[in-house]
Amino acid sequence: GQNIDQPTEMTATEGAIVQINCTYQTSGFNGLFWYQQHAGEAPTFLSYNVLDGLEEKGRFSSFLSRSKGYSYLLLKELQMKDSASYLCAVREIYGGSQGNLIFGKGTKLSVKP
Amino acid sequence: DGGITQSPKYLFRKEGQNVTLSCEQNLNHDAMYWYRQDPGQGLRLIYYSQIVNDFQKGDIAEGYSVSREKKESFPLTVTSAQKNPTAFYLCASTGRPPKGYTFGSGTRLTVV
Repeated sequence: GQNIDQPTEMTATEGAIVQINCTYQTSGFNGLFWYQQHAGEAPTFLSYNVLDGLEEKGRFSSFLSRSKGYSYLLLKELQMKDSASYLCAVREIYGGSQGNLIFGKGTKLSVKP
Repeated sequence: DGGITQSPKYLFRKEGQNVTLSCEQNLNHDAMYWYRQDPGQGLRLIYYSQIVNDFQKGDIAEGYSVSREKKESFPLTVTSAQKNPTAFYLCASTGRPPKGYTFGSGTRLTVV
C-alpha cells in the first residue's frame, strides 16, 4: 500500500531553523519531492532527492534515507513569507502508475515574528 | 514562456449541473494529471493521462470524466454524479523521463 506521513502543523519563529519530517511506504520508489504551497495557490517545486543524502539549495535543504523510508526538509533563517504548506511527494515506479507522484497531506508551517 | 494554464480561476455552478474545467500546457509534456484538494486532505488524484487518447482513473474518479484528444489539453468534467464537488482543482503535467510536476494555478469550484 501507499502511505506518506508528515506532521499536520508546525510553528516556528522568524530567523530560526525548522525541520519538517516525512516518512513513506510505497510500492516502488523513484524519487522524493518537496513542494511549497501558499494558501489558494498552486504548489511550487522546492527539491528532489533520489539518492541518500542531503541536497542543499540556498536556505532550503532536503535529506533522504531510502532504507528508512524517511526524508526531511530543513528551512534556515526563516522568513515570514515561508508561512505555507509543505508537501512531501514520492514518485512510484511500479504498476500502471509509472511516474505518478503520491502526495502526503502537507504540513502547514506558521512563522511568527 | 512555457507553462500550464487552468481556467477559470473561480467557478460557480448550481447543483445538478455539469461543469468543465480547462487545462492547457505548451511544455510538450506527455503526462497530465488532475488533482482535487480539500482542507486537511492533501492532493488526491482524480484522473491521469500518459499519452494522447489514453487516460486512467485515479483514486477518486467517481463523478468525473476526462478526455485527451490533444497532447496540449486535458479537460476535466465534474458531473452531477459527483456528490461533493466544491473543492480546489489542480492540473499538472510532466515530461519524459518523468520528473517533478508543473502545476497550473488551480480552479476553485463552488457548487451552490
